[in-house]
Amino acid sequence: NAGVMQNPRHLVRRRGQEARLRCSPMKGHSHVYWYRQLPEEGLKFMVYLQKENIIDESGMPKERFSAEFPKEGPSILRIQQVVRGDSAAYFCASSPPTPGGSGYTFGSGTRLTVV
Amino acid sequence: SQQGEEDPQALSIQEGENATMNCSYKTSINNLQWYRQNSGRGLVHLILIRSNEREKHSGRLRVTLDTSKKSSSLLITASRAADTASYFCATVQGAQKLVFGQGTRLTINP
Repeated sequence: NAGVMQNPRHLVRRRGQEARLRCSPMKGHSHVYWYRQLPEEGLKFMVYLQKENIIDESGMPKERFSAEFPKEGPSILRIQQVVRGDSAAYFCASSPPTPGGSGYTFGSGTRLTVV
Repeated sequence: SQQGEEDPQALSIQEGENATMNCSYKTSINNLQWYRQNSGRGLVHLILIRSNEREKHSGRLRVTLDTSKKSSSLLITASRAADTASYFCATVQGAQKLVFGQGTRLTINP
């Protein structure tokens, strides 16, 4: 059981480029959550997805950011036209349908640097 | 907005001492969780305490919950250098999303 796999671990993009971050949930988990963490800060919720459905996107910026979790394949967090302020660590977590509190498993994150 | 505020924001103690971190939250909860994050790594679940529990132990960890004050504390006894990390409390809001506090950065000095 490989746990939650995120790739790439590190991503460097120039301003204006697109960033695509991938998250493969833990085996048996059908729910995915994306978080953003700025240096020295806590994790900020971005979006919660189930297969082919966005359940809660209340933490997603209104523009340039999108997320999907297709029927097949990993969940993708896409950032278009990146700006320096997008530089952060992006973490993905997965859970079964009823996590019961302790059922969330986190990946090691993708560190995005915008130059 | 995020809820769950930890204090202190940073704590530095000597190895062997006990470390206490506090967390306050704003809404009603079913449970409260504590996570650890080593520098540059993902979060690791430490312990969960349910709203009908007042205290819970796991190894050198002791968690308390006071729902009347909407607060929780995490105590690490006999600290070790390997306990150096950031510690976050989290509550479940809405449809299953975990909401984290700002965290306490704990440094254990050898």
